[in-house]
Amino acid sequence: DADVTQTPRNRITKTGKRIMLECSQTKGHDRMYWYRQDPGLGLRLIYYSFDVKDINKGEISDGYSVSRQAQAKFSLSLESAIPNQTALYFCATSALGQGLSTDTQYFGPGTRLTVL
Amino acid sequence: SQQGEEDPQALSIQEGENATMNCSYKTSINNLQWYRQNSGRGLVHLILIRSNEREKHSGRLRVTLDTSKKSSSLLITASRAADTASYFCATTTQGGSEKLVFGKGMKLTVNP
Repeated sequence: DADVTQTPRNRITKTGKRIMLECSQTKGHDRMYWYRQDPGLGLRLIYYSFDVKDINKGEISDGYSVSRQAQAKFSLSLESAIPNQTALYFCATSALGQGLSTDTQYFGPGTRLTVL
Repeated sequence: SQQGEEDPQALSIQEGENATMNCSYKTSINNLQWYRQNSGRGLVHLILIRSNEREKHSGRLRVTLDTSKKSSSLLITASRAADTASYFCATTTQGGSEKLVFGKGMKLTVNP
């Protein structure tokens, strides 16, 4: 079984709808992240959480919210979806690295979201 | 904003050749990582090099880091068609909040 899973894998929705993307992990990592990927722009960080009680905004948090329900679960919501939120969304996890360095991130398979 | 920038943006080679990808970054880093992404899939970690290291090897991968030039290179030796993918460098910055900042990525095509 995959260590980091995302549901759904594909979603088509309409402008104005509320959408929730879910991420679960079995790696036992404390840190979880949500990214979006757009062609030619690489990955951009939306939100991240270093433990269950810690939520931080990333580079592009406007229009998104998150919930860390448990160590293993981190969900991303689009309160009112708009077409420019059409993208590939990735969840990732990491363990606390040595010292203060962030170590390897482990990615889920992605959710392809289309907002019409 | 992206910290790392990969160069070239696209590279096409024949199977068996070596592939070299470069990454430049702007601010002082704690470490630099390389990731691979097969089309439409999640990123997979390849190798991490810390700021006090200059070279690291993992199988057919060799990564170098030159902190004075703020640059890194990833060498894939004896490339295979299965190496066809997008490659990203990612950095964590000194004094930052321990987040990874990804470059825009580069596309490697290995022709059989």
